[in-house]
Amino acid sequence: KAGVTQTPRYLIKTRGQQVTLSCSPISGHRSVSWYQQTPGQGLQFLFEYFSETQRNKGNFPGRFSGRQFSNSRSEMNVSTLELGDSALYLCASSSFSGEQAFFGQGTRLTVV
Amino acid sequence: GQQLNQSPQSMFIQEGEDVSMNCTSSSIFNTWLWYKQDPGEGPVLLIALYKAGELTSNGRLTAQFGTTRKDSFLNISASIPSDVGIYFCAGPGSGAGSYQLTFGKGTKLSVIP
Repeated sequence: KAGVTQTPRYLIKTRGQQVTLSCSPISGHRSVSWYQQTPGQGLQFLFEYFSETQRNKGNFPGRFSGRQFSNSRSEMNVSTLELGDSALYLCASSSFSGEQAFFGQGTRLTVV
Repeated sequence: GQQLNQSPQSMFIQEGEDVSMNCTSSSIFNTWLWYKQDPGEGPVLLIALYKAGELTSNGRLTAQFGTTRKDSFLNISASIPSDVGIYFCAGPGSGAGSYQLTFGKGTKLSVIP
């Protein structure tokens, strides 16, 4: 069974730009969650989708958004990038809830 | 919100030694998860615990779900260089929060050959 796939692995963007990250979950998994990881804050929950519906959202500004498609693939978007958005963005998939989530390798976003 | 406190924050051990780390919370968790993360990679699930008092092993790793449901422990026996990495405990919240995992800050393990 293929694991969670995130693309791209690395990204460099300029302040003010926007970015879209992609995540393909494990086949059969319908829940996709997104996390931001920084050295200072650790792993922080962004949002979770199940069957194209956002079920929970973390404490992040509205510049962070996401969506899930009918094939369970998910994208997250960050608009008007700030330097502080530089982080490793991780996607996790699970069969139906946040339990036993399996993570992708992450997308390393650098904002300059 | 819920918080998980992991200790120690970091540890240096000799190859072959056993390692113990723990995770505590001020609130009850119904599930405890232990992950390991290598630099530049995503966390890899090591062990999942679902019942208070449960003891589960995965090779040289053993984890326990504390009886108070507010703590969990991870032990690594006979450490080897590839055990180097950051170990995280995590657990889902309750209610609407059950769709998200709360993570500890991690224990960084260094193994001296």
